[in-house]
Amino acid sequence: QVQLAQSGAEVKKPGSSVKVSCKTVGGTFGNYAIGWVRQAPGQGLEWMGKIIPIFGTTDYAQKFQDRLTLTMDESTSTAYMELISLRSEDTAVYFCARDNYTFGDDYYYYGLDVWGQGTTVTVS
Amino acid sequence: DIQMTQSPSSVSASAGDRVTITCRASQDISRWLAWYQQQPGKAPKLLIFSASNLQSGVPSRFSGSGSGTDFTLTISSLQPEDFGTYYCQQAYTFPRTFGQGTKLEIK
Repeated sequence: QVQLAQSGAEVKKPGSSVKVSCKTVGGTFGNYAIGWVRQAPGQGLEWMGKIIPIFGTTDYAQKFQDRLTLTMDESTSTAYMELISLRSEDTAVYFCARDNYTFGDDYYYYGLDVWGQGTTVTVS
Repeated sequence: DIQMTQSPSSVSASAGDRVTITCRASQDISRWLAWYQQQPGKAPKLLIFSASNLQSGVPSRFSGSGSGTDFTLTISSLQPEDFGTYYCQQAYTFPRTFGQGTKLEIK
C-alpha cells in the first residue's frame, strides 16, 4: 500500500523560505499527480498546486504563483514544495496528497486518495 | 476559480440520525466532486469520489449524490466515530477548490 511520508516540522523567520518533502513509500509516483494542500490554524483546506511527475508539469493556484515551486526527484520518488518570502499568514500544516485522475480525453476522477501526515510550518 | 459553498457550516446530531450535508458549485462541474472527512490533528480522508462512488474501506452508511452544481453527502445512520469536519472539493478544473467545511458534532 502506497504511503506518503513528509518531512518534519519547521520554524522559519519572515522573509525566509521553506522546502517540504513528500516521499512515496511502498511504490513509485506512477501515473499520478501530487497535490499540495495547506491548512492554517482553525481554518479550512486550501489547494496550492500540483505536479505530474511523469510529465514534469505543474499547476499553481494564482495566490501562490509567485512564491511556490513544486519539484520532484524521480530517483527517490520524492516530491518537494518550496515556498519563499514567508510571512506569518503562511503558518499552517502543509499536506501532500496523491491526486488520482486519468489524464487526457478520457478523464475520470478518483480523488485525493493518499495523504501525507502533514508538516507544520511556523513563521515567526 | 470555481467557488464551493457548503451548508450547514456546523451540525449536531445523535447516533443513529440521518445527516445530510450539501455542497454547491459556482458553475457546472459535472460529476467531478469529492468528499473528505477530517478529524482533529489528522490528514483528510477520502470518502466519496466522482460525486457518488464510495472509496474502498469507507462504511456504506456514507453516500454521495448530485451532478452539475448541487451535491449532497448523506450519513444514513450516524455513528460516534463520524465526528469531524467534512469538506467537498471540485475536480472539474484547476485550481482545485474546497468548500469551507461542515463541522459535525455528535450529541
